[in-house]
Amino acid sequence: DIQMTQSPSSLSASLGDRVTITCRASQGIANYLVWYQQKPGKVPKLLIYAASTLQSGVPSRFSGSGSGTDFTLTITSLQPEDVATYYCQKYNSAPFTFGPGTKVDIK
Amino acid sequence: QVQLVESGGGVVQPGRSLRLSCAASGFTFSSYGMHWVRQAPGKGLEWVAFIRYDGSKYYADSVKGRFTISRDNAKNTLYLQMDSLRVEDTALFYCARDRYDYGSGSYCDFWGQGTLVTVSS
Repeated sequence: DIQMTQSPSSLSASLGDRVTITCRASQGIANYLVWYQQKPGKVPKLLIYAASTLQSGVPSRFSGSGSGTDFTLTITSLQPEDVATYYCQKYNSAPFTFGPGTKVDIK
Repeated sequence: QVQLVESGGGVVQPGRSLRLSCAASGFTFSSYGMHWVRQAPGKGLEWVAFIRYDGSKYYADSVKGRFTISRDNAKNTLYLQMDSLRVEDTALFYCARDRYDYGSGSYCDFWGQGTLVTVSS
């Protein structure tokens, strides 16, 4: 089965900073990758699908890129409401494995 | 609007069984695949199982042979039968809708609030 990894596992950044999170698949998955945001105590929220397509209603400061095995989620200007854990997930085929998550907070 | 409401969680002893339910509304349930995803306390998301609109089933290795996903389209309800439960199965279990109707499986676009399963002696 394909394994998903994320780096870093956590980060602290200042308001307005550019934040980049990396997700890596152990084998190529084309662009079958999604990003979720989960705020403390809340249900996961879909941010980006097909590696780079922004879900309706998601602020444009979020963007995704990548294909094959290496993917990134970028927040161009970190806001207080972006404090959350971010997960990638592959969906080319079952099992639909999640990455371990990246916790983002404010410095 | 899409609504997913899980139920059936609780405290159970290791080795025992539990059945979770997820009542769906606001969409044509029979046309969509459905997922179960769990989250152990303080841990990350773990995909558990998926059932396609046509009834085909897929499982994570960690639950294969112990958990069974099923659906009743007449009742708009998704199930997860959990047998031979282990302490490490303790988690909040979410049901979630697959993004595409009549699809072979993808990602989740709507999630329920979850039901908590605690496996403890």
